[in-house]
Amino acid sequence: AQSVTQLDSQVPVFEEAPVELRCNYSSSVSVYLFWYVQYPNQGLQLLLKYLSGSTLVKGINGFEAEFNKSQTSFHLRKPSVHISDTAEYFCAATSPLTQGGSEKLVFGKGTKLTVNP
Amino acid sequence: DGGITQSPKYLFRKEGQNVTLSCEQNLNHDAMYWYRQDPGQGLRLIYYSQIVNDFQKGDIAEGYSVSREKKESFPLTVTSAQKNPTAFYLCASSVLAARKFFGPGTRLTVL
Repeated sequence: AQSVTQLDSQVPVFEEAPVELRCNYSSSVSVYLFWYVQYPNQGLQLLLKYLSGSTLVKGINGFEAEFNKSQTSFHLRKPSVHISDTAEYFCAATSPLTQGGSEKLVFGKGTKLTVNP
Repeated sequence: DGGITQSPKYLFRKEGQNVTLSCEQNLNHDAMYWYRQDPGQGLRLIYYSQIVNDFQKGDIAEGYSVSREKKESFPLTVTSAQKNPTAFYLCASSVLAARKFFGPGTRLTVL
């Protein structure tokens, strides 16, 4: 079964510093990967997704992620964070029906990013 | 505007009561999902439906029930059999194999 591991439950950084939020997945079949952001008491908003093609994916708010099949990783990065990036970030994976998967989206446990002034 | 709505935003329930959470979407999506979110646990799938009049259990379906009589609606009932129902509940919809759109969530508290 698909599983997603977010290695850090909390990441504190200073404003304008770079940040990397780590995500590893387990799957030997084709996989679709996603990063979502959640602000307090709100739903999830999609930051970016990898379905196929270029392994470097650019998303909203200046975030990007790189799909690394050999390391089964999909780490999220931003070169310079703002106070407004403070939120919880979720990595998620699914195996497409067309590749024998179930379309169920499996989430990591989340990483709380806190940007300090 | 297209999107997903969940109501109510906050819900309080006494022990032993059933309660139904509403989820409506006007995105014309075939698939709809219910997730439960607990602090430090991420999101766990309760039920999902890929087509009207059909749904499947997710990873933590015990104590919950759903129906999918209309494409736009996927209500979730939290029954008295759910031992620890206090949580944040998120509904989502999608076109298969693509991004999922999430509603704003319902926070359920058992008193």
